[in-house]
Amino acid sequence: KQEVTQIPAALSVPEGENLVLNCSFTDSAIYNLQWFRQDPGKGLTSLLLIQSSQREQTSGRLNASLDKSSGRSTLYIAASQPGDSATYLCAVNFGNEKLTFGTGTRLTIIP
Amino acid sequence: DTGVSQDPRHKITKRGQNVTFRCDPISEHNRLYWYRQTLGQGPEFLTYFQNEAQLEKSRLLSDRFSAERPKGSFSTLEIQRTEQGDSAMYLCASSRSGLFTEAFFGQGTRLTVV
Repeated sequence: KQEVTQIPAALSVPEGENLVLNCSFTDSAIYNLQWFRQDPGKGLTSLLLIQSSQREQTSGRLNASLDKSSGRSTLYIAASQPGDSATYLCAVNFGNEKLTFGTGTRLTIIP
Repeated sequence: DTGVSQDPRHKITKRGQNVTFRCDPISEHNRLYWYRQTLGQGPEFLTYFQNEAQLEKSRLLSDRFSAERPKGSFSTLEIQRTEQGDSAMYLCASSRSGLFTEAFFGQGTRLTVV
Protein backbone atom coordinates (compact mmCIF):
# COMPACT_ATOMS: atom_id res chain seq x y z
CA LYS A 1 0.00 0.00 0.00
CA GLN A 2 1.31 3.44 -0.91
CA GLU A 3 1.49 5.57 2.22
CA VAL A 4 2.96 8.90 3.28
CA THR A 5 4.00 9.56 6.87
CA GLN A 6 4.92 12.80 8.58
CA ILE A 7 6.55 12.78 12.00
CA PRO A 8 6.28 14.61 14.33
CA ALA A 9 2.63 15.62 14.25
CA ALA A 10 3.48 18.89 15.98
CA LEU A 11 6.63 20.96 16.44
CA SER A 12 7.36 24.17 18.36
CA VAL A 13 10.47 26.20 17.59
CA PRO A 14 11.74 29.60 18.83
CA GLU A 15 11.69 32.38 16.27
CA GLY A 16 14.87 32.69 14.24
CA GLU A 17 15.84 29.05 14.38
CA ASN A 18 16.28 26.83 11.34
CA LEU A 19 14.12 23.71 11.26
CA VAL A 20 13.50 20.56 9.28
CA LEU A 21 10.18 18.85 8.62
CA ASN A 22 10.18 15.19 7.63
CA CYS A 23 8.17 13.15 5.16
CA SER A 24 8.56 9.44 4.38
CA PHE A 25 6.84 7.33 1.74
CA THR A 26 6.57 3.61 1.17
CA ASP A 27 7.10 3.31 -2.59
CA SER A 28 10.24 4.72 -4.19
CA ALA A 29 8.66 4.72 -7.67
CA ILE A 30 7.27 8.22 -7.33
CA TYR A 31 6.68 10.81 -10.05
CA ASN A 32 6.90 13.89 -7.89
CA LEU A 33 6.43 15.20 -4.38
CA GLN A 34 4.79 18.43 -3.32
CA TRP A 35 4.97 20.36 -0.06
CA PHE A 36 1.95 22.43 0.96
CA ARG A 37 1.15 24.88 3.72
CA GLN A 38 -2.30 24.99 5.31
CA ASP A 39 -3.46 27.71 7.69
CA PRO A 40 -6.32 26.86 10.10
CA GLY A 41 -9.63 26.49 8.27
CA LYS A 42 -8.07 27.35 4.93
CA GLY A 43 -7.11 25.58 1.74
CA LEU A 44 -3.67 24.40 0.68
CA THR A 45 -0.92 26.63 -0.65
CA SER A 46 1.70 24.94 -2.80
CA LEU A 47 5.22 25.63 -1.56
CA LEU A 48 7.54 23.44 -3.59
CA LEU A 49 7.28 20.69 -6.20
CA ILE A 50 10.14 18.23 -6.62
CA GLN A 51 10.20 15.97 -9.66
CA SER A 52 11.43 12.39 -9.26
CA SER A 53 14.61 13.24 -11.19
CA GLN A 54 15.51 16.12 -8.85
CA ARG A 55 17.32 16.08 -5.53
CA GLU A 56 16.16 19.45 -4.21
CA GLN A 57 14.19 22.60 -4.85
CA THR A 58 14.53 26.02 -3.26
CA SER A 59 12.18 28.95 -2.85
CA GLY A 60 13.27 31.81 -0.64
CA ARG A 61 13.85 30.50 2.89
CA LEU A 62 12.49 27.07 1.95
CA ASN A 63 14.49 24.14 0.66
CA ALA A 64 13.00 20.74 -0.07
CA SER A 65 15.08 17.63 -0.66
CA LEU A 66 14.17 14.26 -2.08
CA ASP A 67 15.86 10.89 -1.56
CA LYS A 68 13.83 8.31 -3.45
CA SER A 69 16.02 5.37 -2.50
CA SER A 70 15.36 5.89 1.19
CA GLY A 71 11.78 7.07 0.68
CA ARG A 72 12.33 10.42 2.37
CA SER A 73 11.86 14.10 1.78
CA THR A 74 12.67 17.02 4.05
CA LEU A 75 11.50 20.61 4.09
CA TYR A 76 14.08 22.97 5.54
CA ILE A 77 12.92 26.37 6.76
CA ALA A 78 15.64 28.91 7.46
CA ALA A 79 15.39 31.74 9.99
CA SER A 80 11.86 30.86 11.08
CA GLN A 81 9.30 33.61 11.64
CA PRO A 82 5.97 33.64 13.53
CA GLY A 83 4.22 33.88 10.14
CA ASP A 84 5.58 30.43 9.31
CA SER A 85 3.22 28.92 11.88
CA ALA A 86 0.89 26.58 9.99
CA THR A 87 0.40 22.91 9.15
CA TYR A 88 2.79 21.60 6.53
CA LEU A 89 1.61 18.74 4.35
CA CYS A 90 3.66 16.45 2.16
CA ALA A 91 1.95 14.86 -0.85
CA VAL A 92 3.29 12.22 -3.22
CA ASN A 93 2.28 11.45 -6.79
CA PHE A 94 2.83 7.70 -7.10
CA GLY A 95 1.95 7.81 -10.79
CA ASN A 96 -1.72 7.03 -10.33
CA GLU A 97 -3.04 10.48 -11.28
CA LYS A 98 -3.67 11.69 -7.72
CA LEU A 99 -1.82 12.89 -4.64
CA THR A 100 -1.41 10.81 -1.50
CA PHE A 101 -1.04 13.03 1.55
CA GLY A 102 0.59 12.66 4.92
CA THR A 103 -1.27 13.83 8.01
CA GLY A 104 0.89 16.93 8.29
CA THR A 105 3.14 18.57 10.86
CA ARG A 106 1.64 21.45 12.82
CA LEU A 107 4.41 24.02 13.22
CA THR A 108 4.37 26.75 15.86
CA ILE A 109 7.03 29.45 15.85
CA ILE A 110 7.40 30.99 19.30
CA PRO A 111 8.12 34.76 19.24
CA ASP B 1 -4.74 36.18 -9.97
CA THR B 2 -7.34 33.64 -11.08
CA GLY B 3 -6.57 30.74 -8.78
CA VAL B 4 -8.89 27.86 -7.94
CA SER B 5 -12.17 29.20 -6.59
CA GLN B 6 -14.68 27.31 -4.45
CA ASP B 7 -18.17 28.25 -3.40
CA PRO B 8 -19.54 28.37 -0.78
CA ARG B 9 -16.74 28.64 1.75
CA HIS B 10 -18.95 27.34 4.54
CA LYS B 11 -22.15 25.31 4.56
CA ILE B 12 -24.23 24.20 7.51
CA THR B 13 -27.00 21.77 6.69
CA LYS B 14 -29.39 19.49 8.50
CA ARG B 15 -28.95 15.76 8.27
CA GLY B 16 -30.82 14.35 5.31
CA GLN B 17 -30.61 17.49 3.17
CA ASN B 18 -28.81 17.68 -0.17
CA VAL B 19 -25.91 20.05 -0.72
CA THR B 20 -23.97 21.12 -3.82
CA PHE B 21 -20.54 22.68 -4.00
CA ARG B 22 -18.92 24.44 -6.92
CA CYS B 23 -15.31 24.61 -8.04
CA ASP B 24 -13.85 26.86 -10.73
CA PRO B 25 -10.35 25.69 -11.70
CA ILE B 26 -7.50 27.71 -13.13
CA SER B 27 -8.67 28.42 -16.66
CA GLU B 28 -5.96 26.64 -18.63
CA HIS B 29 -6.01 23.52 -16.41
CA ASN B 30 -7.82 20.54 -17.87
CA ARG B 31 -7.50 18.33 -14.79
CA LEU B 32 -9.77 18.87 -11.81
CA TYR B 33 -9.70 16.95 -8.52
CA TRP B 34 -11.91 16.69 -5.45
CA TYR B 35 -10.46 15.78 -2.06
CA ARG B 36 -11.99 15.52 1.40
CA GLN B 37 -10.19 16.44 4.60
CA THR B 38 -11.34 15.67 8.13
CA LEU B 39 -9.92 17.28 11.25
CA GLY B 40 -6.31 16.36 11.90
CA GLN B 41 -5.97 14.33 8.72
CA GLY B 42 -4.46 14.93 5.32
CA PRO B 43 -6.75 15.33 2.31
CA GLU B 44 -8.08 12.12 0.78
CA PHE B 45 -8.75 11.72 -2.93
CA LEU B 46 -12.39 11.51 -4.01
CA THR B 47 -12.48 11.84 -7.80
CA TYR B 48 -10.90 13.56 -10.77
CA PHE B 49 -11.77 14.80 -14.25
CA GLN B 50 -9.79 15.16 -17.42
CA ASN B 51 -11.76 17.85 -19.25
CA GLU B 52 -15.39 16.71 -18.90
CA ALA B 53 -14.60 13.02 -18.40
CA GLN B 54 -14.66 11.62 -14.87
CA LEU B 55 -11.74 9.19 -14.96
CA GLU B 56 -11.55 7.82 -11.43
CA LYS B 57 -13.67 7.66 -8.32
CA SER B 58 -12.46 6.61 -4.89
CA ARG B 59 -14.32 4.00 -2.90
CA LEU B 60 -14.83 6.85 -0.41
CA LEU B 61 -17.30 8.30 -2.90
CA SER B 62 -20.50 6.52 -1.90
CA ASP B 63 -23.64 6.43 -4.03
CA ARG B 64 -24.82 9.58 -2.28
CA PHE B 65 -21.99 11.55 -3.85
CA SER B 66 -21.95 12.70 -7.45
CA ALA B 67 -19.60 15.00 -9.29
CA GLU B 68 -19.90 16.61 -12.69
CA ARG B 69 -17.85 18.80 -14.96
CA PRO B 70 -20.31 19.38 -17.78
CA LYS B 71 -18.27 21.52 -20.15
CA GLY B 72 -14.80 20.79 -18.93
CA SER B 73 -14.67 24.04 -16.99
CA PHE B 74 -16.27 24.32 -13.53
CA SER B 75 -17.27 21.28 -11.51
CA THR B 76 -19.97 20.54 -8.96
CA LEU B 77 -19.96 18.02 -6.13
CA GLU B 78 -23.36 17.02 -4.78
CA ILE B 79 -24.02 15.10 -1.60
CA GLN B 80 -27.50 13.66 -1.22
CA ARG B 81 -29.13 12.76 2.10
CA THR B 82 -26.24 14.17 4.11
CA GLU B 83 -25.03 12.35 7.21
CA GLN B 84 -23.04 13.67 10.16
CA GLY B 85 -20.05 11.71 8.91
CA ASP B 86 -20.01 13.88 5.79
CA SER B 87 -18.86 16.85 7.87
CA ALA B 88 -15.45 17.76 6.48
CA MET B 89 -13.53 20.22 4.36
CA TYR B 90 -14.06 19.57 0.66
CA LEU B 91 -11.09 20.70 -1.40
CA CYS B 92 -10.85 21.20 -5.13
CA ALA B 93 -7.58 21.22 -7.05
CA SER B 94 -6.60 21.69 -10.67
CA SER B 95 -3.56 21.00 -12.79
CA ARG B 96 -2.40 20.68 -16.36
CA SER B 97 -2.37 17.21 -17.86
CA GLY B 98 0.61 14.97 -17.28
CA LEU B 99 2.22 13.11 -14.41
CA PHE B 100 4.76 15.78 -13.54
CA THR B 101 2.55 18.79 -13.08
CA GLU B 102 1.89 20.89 -10.01
CA ALA B 103 -1.52 20.82 -8.34
CA PHE B 104 -3.13 24.03 -7.09
CA PHE B 105 -5.84 23.97 -4.46
CA GLY B 106 -8.77 26.20 -3.66
CA GLN B 107 -9.75 27.51 -0.22
CA GLY B 108 -12.15 24.64 0.34
CA THR B 109 -15.77 24.33 1.40
CA ARG B 110 -16.30 23.53 5.07
CA LEU B 111 -19.42 21.37 5.47
CA THR B 112 -21.07 20.91 8.83
CA VAL B 113 -23.99 18.48 9.07
CA VAL B 114 -26.12 18.98 12.19
